[in-house]
Amino acid sequence: AQTVTQSQPEMSVQEAETVTLSCTYDTSESDYYLFWYKQPPSRQMILVIRQEAYKQQNATENRFSVNFQKAAKSFSLKISDSQLGDAAMYFCAYRSATNAGGTSYGKLTFGQGTILTVHP
Amino acid sequence: DVKVTQSSRYLVKRTGEKVFLECVQDMDHENMFWYRQDPGLGLRLIYFSYDVKMKEKGDIPEGYSVSREKKERFSLILESASTNQTSMYLCASSLTGPPEAFFGQGTRLTVV
Repeated sequence: AQTVTQSQPEMSVQEAETVTLSCTYDTSESDYYLFWYKQPPSRQMILVIRQEAYKQQNATENRFSVNFQKAAKSFSLKISDSQLGDAAMYFCAYRSATNAGGTSYGKLTFGQGTILTVHP
Repeated sequence: DVKVTQSSRYLVKRTGEKVFLECVQDMDHENMFWYRQDPGLGLRLIYFSYDVKMKEKGDIPEGYSVSREKKERFSLILESASTNQTSMYLCASSLTGPPEAFFGQGTRLTVV
C-alpha cells in the first residue's frame, strides 16, 4: 500500500516571499501521479498542480512549482511571490496510474496536510 | 466546469440515527469516492464506486455503507451514527483515464 507523509503541520510565510511545502511518499509502483491540492476556508478542494512520474521535468503552474525527486520519493511544492489568497490547507496526494485488478480506479492517497499562513 | 454537489454543508444527528449523505456529479464520471477528513490524518478513503451498483471498500469502511443506483449519484450511509463518526465528509468524482479528481464542498457532520 502507498503512503504519503507531510511532516510540516504548519508553515508561515510573508507576503511576496517564497515558501516550500514538503511531501514524501512510499510506493513500489513505477507509474503514478502526484498532486498538490489546496483547501481554503471555503473547504472546496482545488487542484494546484500535477506531476506524472514518468516525466523528468518538474511541473510548473504560474507561481507554483514542484521539485519531484523520484528516487528519493520526494515531492515538494514551492510557492513564489506568496499572496494572501494562498493561505489554506495544502494536501499532497498520490494516485496509481494503472488499475491493478480493478481496485485503483483513481483512488487518491493523501498526506496529513500542511496549514499555510500568509502574513501581510 | 465539473460540478460535484453534496446535499448538505452542515448536519447534526443523534447517536443511533441512520444518516444519508448524498453526492451528485454532472460530468458523467465513472468513479466516485467518499473520503473522511480529520485533523492530523488528512483525507482517508471510506468507499468508492467505479460503475453503477459497483462498490469497493476503502481504507476505513467500518460503520459505513454506500449506494450507487445511478451513475451521477453516490450516497454514503451511516447505519447507526456514533460520536466517533463526527467528521468532515468529502465526495469526489473522476474519469478512469485523466487523473484529476473533482471534489464537493464537504459535509461537516456532528453526531451528538
